[in-house]
Amino acid sequence: AQKVTQAQTEISVVEKEDVTLDCVYETRDTTYYLFWYKQPPSGELVFLIRRNSFDEQNEISGRYSWNFQKSTSSFNFTITASQVVDSAVYFCALSELKYGNKLVFGAGTILRVKS
Amino acid sequence: DGGITQSPKYLFRKEGQNVTLSCEQNLNHDAMYWYRQDPGQGLRLIYYSQIVNDFQKGDIAEGYSVSREKKESFPLTVTSAQKNPTAFYLCASSIGGTSGSTSTDTQYFGPGTRLTVL
Repeated sequence: AQKVTQAQTEISVVEKEDVTLDCVYETRDTTYYLFWYKQPPSGELVFLIRRNSFDEQNEISGRYSWNFQKSTSSFNFTITASQVVDSAVYFCALSELKYGNKLVFGAGTILRVKS
Repeated sequence: DGGITQSPKYLFRKEGQNVTLSCEQNLNHDAMYWYRQDPGQGLRLIYYSQIVNDFQKGDIAEGYSVSREKKESFPLTVTSAQKNPTAFYLCASSIGGTSGSTSTDTQYFGPGTRLTVL
């Protein structure tokens, strides 16, 4: 069964601190895809990254980085030198190839960055 | 600008009424989706459509209906049978295509409609 767990309900940091958002997933499929989305207060989900199960290479995009570890079924997201504009709800999601494009979302982590 | 639009942004409904939420995309995507978001929870899939004139139930389809008569439009009707319709509704689309795909597309989301039952 597919499942995504984001154990951190809410995180508060002060601007310029680094912060890591955890994501643990469960799947029996060997081919799957992992996603991170950002939901700012406006409500729209903004796509951040997509990663397939065969690519464990970590990725960096500006202040964002992602650590994918199949051994621990985790796909963690780190924001370096956080800014107030990073305040949002962040969702991790999983899609198994055999279920087509159906996404299973975690409950989300609320990130509050204080100035 | 290419993107996904949803209307209205806010919607109020009296109990017993059906309401229809609009979702339009000009990205030329084949696949479209409807999700429901409740406070403190992730998104749950209501219905999805891989191609025009075809759609499938998601995890929480009861009390909802959809149609897909045009590629760019995927309206969602919340019927009176939906027991707890107050929620934030998000529409998404992806490139999609025919079945038998060897990968998963990225879904892109609209701005959402907040539905409140009075």
